[in-house]
Formats: sequence, C-alpha cells, structure tokens
Amino acid sequence: EVQLVQSGAEVKKPGESLKISCKGSGYSFATYWIGWVRQVPGKGLEWMGIIYPGDSDTRYSPSFQGQATISADKSISTAYLQWSSLKASDSAMYYCARPNGDSLFHWYFDVWGRGTLVTVSS
Amino acid sequence: EIVLTQSPGTLSLSPGERATLSCRASQSVSRSYLAWYQQKPGRAPRLLIYAASSRATGIPDRFSGSGSGTDFTLTISRLEPEDFAVYYCQQYGSSLTWTFGQGTKVEVK
Repeated sequence: EVQLVQSGAEVKKPGESLKISCKGSGYSFATYWIGWVRQVPGKGLEWMGIIYPGDSDTRYSPSFQGQATISADKSISTAYLQWSSLKASDSAMYYCARPNGDSLFHWYFDVWGRGTLVTVSS
Repeated sequence: EIVLTQSPGTLSLSPGERATLSCRASQSVSRSYLAWYQQKPGRAPRLLIYAASSRATGIPDRFSGSGSGTDFTLTISRLEPEDFAVYYCQQYGSSLTWTFGQGTKVEVK
C-alpha cells in the first residue's frame, strides 16, 4: 500500500526555524515526484511546490517561491518542508501529496499524507 | 494564474438527493485537466475525479464529473451519509501553476 507518513504537530514562536517531514512507503520513492500543499484552518488548498527525490529537482509555485524550502533524502524515502524564520502567517496544516497524471507537470494529487499542523504564535 | 470559482458555497441537501457542484475557471483549462477532491473534517483531501470525468480508484459510481473549457460539474447522484463534506476542484492545465477552488460544503438539510 502506498503511504505518506508525516511528522507530528509543531508549535513554534515567530522567528524560529522548522523542518517537517513526509516519509513515503509502498512505492519507489526516488522515482516519483512529491509535493506540498498548504491549508490555512477553515480555508482552501494551495499548492506550494514539488520535488523529484531522485535528483532533488525542485519546482515552486510562484506564490510560494522564497517562502519555504523543499528538500528530500531518497536514502530514507523522506521529503521535507522547512522554514528558516517562521511568521504567524505560516500557521496552517501542511500536506504532502504525490502528484500523478499523464503529462509532465500537469498533475493532480492521488495520494495524500494526513497533514502536519504548524502553529506559530508568540 | 487560472482562478477557479466554485458554487454554491454551501449546498444543503438530504440523504438520497442529487448534488450538483459547479467549478468555473477564469480561462479555459487545457485538455480538461480538472480534478475534484473530497475533504472531511480533520482529514486529508481524497481524490475523486481527474481529467474532468475519470473516477479515481475505489470511488463509487454515484460520483461523476463533466465539463470542458471553463465550466465543470461534479454530480453526486444520490447522497449517502458519508458524502457530506467539502469538495474542491483543482486545475492542472497550466504547467506548474496548479490552482484550487475555494470549496463547496455539502451539508445535511
């Protein structure tokens, strides 16, 4: 069974750094792109970016370029989303999800992690 | 960026009724690259439909999608109790500028 298992909820202060994770199993992690989607509580979904773990090729949504950094370690089948200096506006649920589709970079998400809730508050 | 507008914002229906959800794009979605997701409280989204009308694996046939260009529809033929949730559309016709609609909540009348 294909699964994405995310790290647990985090509570941080503004200005702190954070790295959350997403571990894939049940498939060849290195050969599938994986992405991150943000959901502010009570709001809709926003695609942030994707990474190809095989060679760490990373693409960001224009809306999120420079806001956070996506990385991956194929040796442990894990993708990461990190911030160097959190803001209150980064408070949200963050989902990792596996893109799919029949045309390069024209993808929907067919497998989702359960989400990591990030709360940034002083 | 393609903006997706979903309507209505909330749909109040009874089990057994038919639900019709709309997703309108600000410009044409190429190759009908539109997906629908279901999200229940405290849960991750679940893929229902891709390519406007193809059901994802394991999705019951009471869910169907249609449309092309700028107008798309998700229909639930007969609402089951587990279908009350929020539904989102997503376009992926624009390379690496995928966007989601704001969601339609289907609630029990």
